Amino acid sequence: QKEVEQDPGPLSVPEGAIVSLNCTYSNSAFQYFMWYRQYSRKGPELLMYTYSSGNKEDGRFTAQVDKSSKYISLFIRDSQPSDSATYLCAMSERINTGTASKLTFGTGTRLQVTL
Amino acid sequence: ETGVTQSPTHLIKTRGQQVTLRCSSQSGHNTVSWYQQALGQGPQFIFQYYREEENGRGNFPPRFSGLQFPNYSSELNVNALELDDSALYLCASRQDRGGRENTGELFFGEGSRLTVL
Repeated sequence: QKEVEQDPGPLSVPEGAIVSLNCTYSNSAFQYFMWYRQYSRKGPELLMYTYSSGNKEDGRFTAQVDKSSKYISLFIRDSQPSDSATYLCAMSERINTGTASKLTFGTGTRLQVTL
Repeated sequence: ETGVTQSPTHLIKTRGQQVTLRCSSQSGHNTVSWYQQALGQGPQFIFQYYREEENGRGNFPPRFSGLQFPNYSSELNVNALELDDSALYLCASRQDRGGRENTGELFFGEGSRLTVL
């Protein structure tokens, strides 16, 4: 079983739709939770990061974390064609007695927003 | 723009060769990490450097090695290249706050795409 599970999609939605992207995880050591957006042939771009359970909103994006269920979500409101990309969830844990940290990523969900 | 720059952007090597990839971190960032992203997969942690010392490593063999320089630029070296080393190699940086809690946020460059034939 992978530490982080993410549906690879592809997910196709019409412009203006609400998009829901999800990840589940099994490692209780994960402390911080992030969402990255990656356009084709580009590096990942940090969209959102959260620490505690609950919601965090930034413009059209809302990140949700439920630590008791080991489940995180990203919601995109009023989706636009420019949102078409791969969305990666990532989780941070301390390693080597806490002197370093690493991110564990999901496989990414490919999103296509159509006109 | 994250301020993290990588070179080269693309390169092709053959099995058994060696490769060096370079990264210039965002100004003020003292921690750099390298990740390998195979096609259709999420990035995998290779290792992390803090103040020129490797302080964390993922499940990669010793032929993957690195350096971090006093100006916080860094290198990833891969010896004895194998076909499975074909991937996008990502450099990421952040400001480590030492003993204080770090958010774990990382800012990635655009990557170096390596093809091994």
